Amino acid sequence: SQQGEEDPQALSIQEGENATMNCSYKTSINNLQWYRQNSGRGLVHLILIRSNEREKHSGRLRVTLDTSKKSSSLLITASRAADTASYFCATDDQGGSEKLVFGKGTKLTVNP
Amino acid sequence: EAQVTQNPRYLITVTGKKLTVTCSQNMNHEYMSWYRQDPGLGLRQIYYSMNVEVTDKGDVPEGYKVSRKEKRNFPLILESPSPNQTSLYFCASSLAGYSPLHFGNGTRLTVT
Repeated sequence: SQQGEEDPQALSIQEGENATMNCSYKTSINNLQWYRQNSGRGLVHLILIRSNEREKHSGRLRVTLDTSKKSSSLLITASRAADTASYFCATDDQGGSEKLVFGKGTKLTVNP
Repeated sequence: EAQVTQNPRYLITVTGKKLTVTCSQNMNHEYMSWYRQDPGLGLRQIYYSMNVEVTDKGDVPEGYKVSRKEKRNFPLILESPSPNQTSLYFCASSLAGYSPLHFGNGTRLTVT
């Protein structure tokens, strides 16, 4: 099954800096979602972007989608220590299997 | 409060001793799913259910069973657990297969 791949695997920044994570996927999608996971806890949905959208904002989060390159990016602006977490992209399957497939995640550390 | 509740949170068992991990959601969601999360392998889907009495295999269904007799409950059954099923398990639910998922807090299972 197709899978989103996040890049980088790990990212360490200082508080106040911006963090950018990327996700690439293999086949056509209906939508792409980003989730956050605090250590060992359940994933929390952040944002969904549809295949006909190019950019979406939610608070300090900005997501872009480039379907021609089959890639998405998640930008967290003015990062805080509380943003320290793993971030996952999830893609559906236009083939109609009605399930989301997750990448392996980017581990973000924001140093105070 | 809208939530997905998994129990137990931690479980240590021995090889071959049948166990059930319960999952319940109070959001009247049609779609429910089980994932396992292992270091380096990300989140992999075990089974999912589109509605009551409708279940289907995910990417790693071997050694697991599920049932969906009621809309709110989706238990995960390990008939004869083995050490390679030691993992962190998550139940999740959503309105439909491609919709944002709500995750439980996870069950950390150790099989010795």
